[in-house]
Amino acid sequence: GNSVTQMEGPVTLSEEAFLTINCTYTATGYPSLFWYVQYPGEGLQLLLKATKADDKGSNKGFEATYRKETTSFHLEKGSVQVSDSAVYFCALRSGGSNYKLTFGKGTLLTVNP
Amino acid sequence: SAVISQKPSRDICQRGTSLTIQCQVDSQVTMMFWYRQQPGQSLTLIATANQGSEATYESGFVIDKFPISRPNLTFSTLTVSNMSPEDSSIYLCSVEALTDTQYFGPGTRLTVL
Repeated sequence: GNSVTQMEGPVTLSEEAFLTINCTYTATGYPSLFWYVQYPGEGLQLLLKATKADDKGSNKGFEATYRKETTSFHLEKGSVQVSDSAVYFCALRSGGSNYKLTFGKGTLLTVNP
Repeated sequence: SAVISQKPSRDICQRGTSLTIQCQVDSQVTMMFWYRQQPGQSLTLIATANQGSEATYESGFVIDKFPISRPNLTFSTLTVSNMSPEDSSIYLCSVEALTDTQYFGPGTRLTVL
């Protein structure tokens, strides 16, 4: 079956530091990959996505590249802000009519001023 | 992306009672889903809410405990029945549009005493 393995948290960084949150997956076929973000006390927001190999998703300074050869979708940001403090979830969706999202366990990021 | 609202946003309930959560979308969507997020955990799919027919439940979830209605393409309800403290969670609805991407509501934070 499908699975997503995410870097264990929590991750604590200083403002303007470089961020990487690792995500690897196991799936059959050609899944779509997603990063969602959950700010304190809120629901999930779609951060970025990629639907095929070598695609790069980007949003709000965050980037992730779909690497089929390493089955990875690592999230990066060059300079984090205090407002980026949140829980980040990596997820995959199998292709076609299989709508089910498989989530990683989430990574708590805290950015200190 | 779709705009999704949920009611109530939070509630505190007594053991043995039931709570119905509403999910409203601002456009017609084919696929609607209900998830549970237990404290400090990732998301688990409860069921797919099917318009005009019974919901499709995931393993470990049953209709008697989590009855779901979907009377039209913009609205769904989830009831958490005969609650116990173990049901304390965030319950989120999501929708999938034509882009094969799921968007989430803000969630309902339920505490059972």
